[in-house]
Amino acid sequence: KAGVTQTPRYLIKTRGQQVTLSCSPISGHRSVSWYQQTPGQGLQFLFEYFSETQRNKGNFPGRFSGRQFSNSRSEMNVSTLELGDSALYLCASRPGGGTEAFFGQGTRLTVV
Amino acid sequence: QQPVQSPQAVILREGEDAVINCSSSKALYSVHWYRQKHGEAPVFLMILLKGGEQKGHEKISASFNEKKQQSSLYLTASQLSYSGTYFCGTEYVILGSHAGGTSYGKLTFGQGTILTVHP
Repeated sequence: KAGVTQTPRYLIKTRGQQVTLSCSPISGHRSVSWYQQTPGQGLQFLFEYFSETQRNKGNFPGRFSGRQFSNSRSEMNVSTLELGDSALYLCASRPGGGTEAFFGQGTRLTVV
Repeated sequence: QQPVQSPQAVILREGEDAVINCSSSKALYSVHWYRQKHGEAPVFLMILLKGGEQKGHEKISASFNEKKQQSSLYLTASQLSYSGTYFCGTEYVILGSHAGGTSYGKLTFGQGTILTVHP
């Protein structure tokens, strides 16, 4: 069974640009959540998608957005990048609530 | 709202025991425990559901006190491989209105506890 796949693994962007990250969940998993991880800040919840609908959202500005497709693949977009957006972005897939989450290897975003 | 973990860091020698605590100010539906090694993705350890029992495998176990909204992770006879950052994740049931009818929640994580095991 294939795991969670995130692409790309590494990205370097300039301030003001936008970026799109991709996450392919485990087959059959309908829930995809995105997290931002920075040193000392733990895993900050961005949003969760379930069956193409955003059901939960964290406390991030509107520059952070996402979507989920009919095959459960999800994308996360960050517009007008800031230096503080540099982080490891992780996605996690789950069958649904109350189940374990499987994490991808993450996308390391560096904003210069 | 994020759960609160304590302690922030633990240093052990092989064979020693450790306890990591996780608490929430909100009523919990589930508590998850994950371990992340440097440069790797978090890996699932166990999940405790409301109304469930204490869980464990080998030398790692966890408990869930529903009245206090607290969970503890117990690591006994620690091994070098236990080193890493431990995260507890908590979930509150948010009932959706989609066709599947399955409840789901927002899984938020604590700040993490850095566990270092020395020979």
